Amino acid sequence: GDSVTQMEGPVTLSEEAFLTINCTYTATGYPSLFWYVQYPGEGLQLLLKATKADDKGSNKGFEATYRKETTSFHLEKGSVQVSDSAVYFCALIGAQGGSEKLVFGKGTKLTVNP
Amino acid sequence: GAGVSQSPRYKVTKRGQDVALRCDPISGHVSLYWYRQALGQGPEFLTYFNYEAQQDKSGLPNDRFSAERPEGSISTLTIQRTEQRDSAMYRCASSLTTVSIFGFANTGELFFGEGSRLTVL
Repeated sequence: GDSVTQMEGPVTLSEEAFLTINCTYTATGYPSLFWYVQYPGEGLQLLLKATKADDKGSNKGFEATYRKETTSFHLEKGSVQVSDSAVYFCALIGAQGGSEKLVFGKGTKLTVNP
Repeated sequence: GAGVSQSPRYKVTKRGQDVALRCDPISGHVSLYWYRQALGQGPEFLTYFNYEAQQDKSGLPNDRFSAERPEGSISTLTIQRTEQRDSAMYRCASSLTTVSIFGFANTGELFFGEGSRLTVL
């Protein structure tokens, strides 16, 4: 079935450092890809998405490009802030067997220190 | 409120008891999802509905788990004869879904509630 694999965390960075969180996927057909973020004490919320190959999703300084050839959707940010500390989840929605369920990775916890 | 509302926020129960978790989605959202999230893990899919129809229940762990959405709005997830391994955060989400002659097309943007934390003693 469809699945998502994220890099193991936790990740600890200093403010203004460059961030990459790796995500690869396995899916039949052409899934849509997402990054969700969960801030401490809050529910998950959508950060960005891409619906077809070579699309770039972006929001709040974060970017991710849908790479079909490498089945990847890595999350990047050029300069992280303390307020970016959260857990980040890569996810996909496909159409396997007609179901439109959103499948999540295990999450990567990011801590940004001042 | 404008968001997804779940109740109760916290539930402590004894092994063998039944529990019912409620989800009130954002008004007008066609799709409603249930997920379970263990500590330090990603959300694990349980089931989802389009309107009142249960589209996929492949994630329900066993027949002690069931869900309904009888009027296409509020949903209830029921766990019968709870076991300690059922302890987790249960999250509900709703989403906009377009409906056309080709069927349903989910945007993939899910709006999550704050969750119901279940502890089974």
